[in-house]
Amino acid sequence: QSALTQPASVSGSPGQSITISCTGTSSDVGHYNYVSWYQQHPGKAPKLMIYDVSNRPSGVSNRFSGSKSGNTASLTISGLQAEDEADYYCSSFTTTSTWVFGGGTTLTVL
Amino acid sequence: QVQLQESGPGLVKPSQTLSLTCTVSGDSTSSGNYYWSWIRQPAGKGLEWIGRIYTTGSTNYNPSLESRVAMSVDTSKNQFSLKMSSVTAADTAIYYCAREEYNSGLFDYWGQGTLVTVSS
Repeated sequence: QSALTQPASVSGSPGQSITISCTGTSSDVGHYNYVSWYQQHPGKAPKLMIYDVSNRPSGVSNRFSGSKSGNTASLTISGLQAEDEADYYCSSFTTTSTWVFGGGTTLTVL
Repeated sequence: QVQLQESGPGLVKPSQTLSLTCTVSGDSTSSGNYYWSWIRQPAGKGLEWIGRIYTTGSTNYNPSLESRVAMSVDTSKNQFSLKMSSVTAADTAIYYCAREEYNSGLFDYWGQGTLVTVSS
């Protein structure tokens, strides 16, 4: 199974919005709504930010939102804050009952 | 509060077997509501899912690692374990254990991670 495709880096200024894409295939992102997004700060474990494409766990800011179209899922962060600077990973369940992650995107808040 | 804690040797020799255990508190590995997964991350690189185990012992593994990986669960100790054989330097990584909600698309609780270095 191949990793999902994410841009290596994105950046934005405080207050702006950014979107991170996550492209898979009809065997993973395009097949299930089991797409989730994780935030990882340096030296820390990943933290769940979005699950089942667009659901936010309790405690996650509503500045984070998710969507999906075809084989591509997206994470949007609005009202960028300095604390949002981190690595972001998407993941998807696959038709072979396995999980696949994206390569990760580094978000820089300018 | 659910907590997961990885434990095991931090240094493994090439060609040997890596063995890690994840101890769960605040939840039960015998719960039918969750899978229990292992995920790794080489330094400076992305996340790689290794595999998962259900309370029944049913497993799913990453096809690229399947021939070298075995997972088990010990519900009496509330632990689950990973064994990876014939390790090489490419297996050097931070290894995380995580809880995956059954019939949902999320890993909601993660351990802090443990660094395993493969070196002679």
